[in-house]
Amino acid sequence: DAGVIQSPRHEVTEMGQEVTLRCKPISGHNSLFWYRQTMMRGLELLIYFNNNVPIDDSGMPEDRFSAKMPNASFSTLKIQPSEPRDSAVYFCATSPGVNTEAFFGQGTRLTVV
Amino acid sequence: KNEVEQSPQNLTAQEGEFITINCSYSVGISALHWLQQHPGGGIVSLFMLSSGKKKHGRLIATINIQEKHSSLHITASHPRDSAVYICAVSPPLGAQKLVFGQGTRLTINP
Repeated sequence: DAGVIQSPRHEVTEMGQEVTLRCKPISGHNSLFWYRQTMMRGLELLIYFNNNVPIDDSGMPEDRFSAKMPNASFSTLKIQPSEPRDSAVYFCATSPGVNTEAFFGQGTRLTVV
Repeated sequence: KNEVEQSPQNLTAQEGEFITINCSYSVGISALHWLQQHPGGGIVSLFMLSSGKKKHGRLIATINIQEKHSSLHITASHPRDSAVYICAVSPPLGAQKLVFGQGTRLTINP
């Protein structure tokens, strides 16, 4: 398996534009997590899904952020409209089940100018 | 106060030295994770443990549930061990989200 695949690896966009980050989980993994990493706050959970169903989105900063998992092999994190303070590295991670090891993607480095 | 505290925040050592990174937590957990993040940015899971000790190559992780403390040890450290090491905890069963420490930046000089 190629592991968790995120795209794009880097994204530079102007303030106000819509940004969509993509994640392909490891086949067979039932849990998918979106994390954000900044220098100030470190790693933070934004949202996670179990069997494609959103379980906890309490970490989503505000209504500008939304996440979907339409099927077991694909998830998106969308920011609309984007703001400079959204600049961060966004990681997708998946795990086979509850309380199991997490496997991380390479991350998407987002810069909003 | 953060729920997961790591020490030290930064550590510089010479190649060959024995390294210890500490993690203390203040919440109930079902498991503790040690992660490694290299300068390129990717994050790799090193260990997941809920009791005792685990060993993988030159890496050893221990946890003391009563004291709410874990340590990550690196024996015979090497420059390629230079990375940020992150401690994270899983809340009790039923809640999957990881709570992360701020990380320890380790630099091993040749």
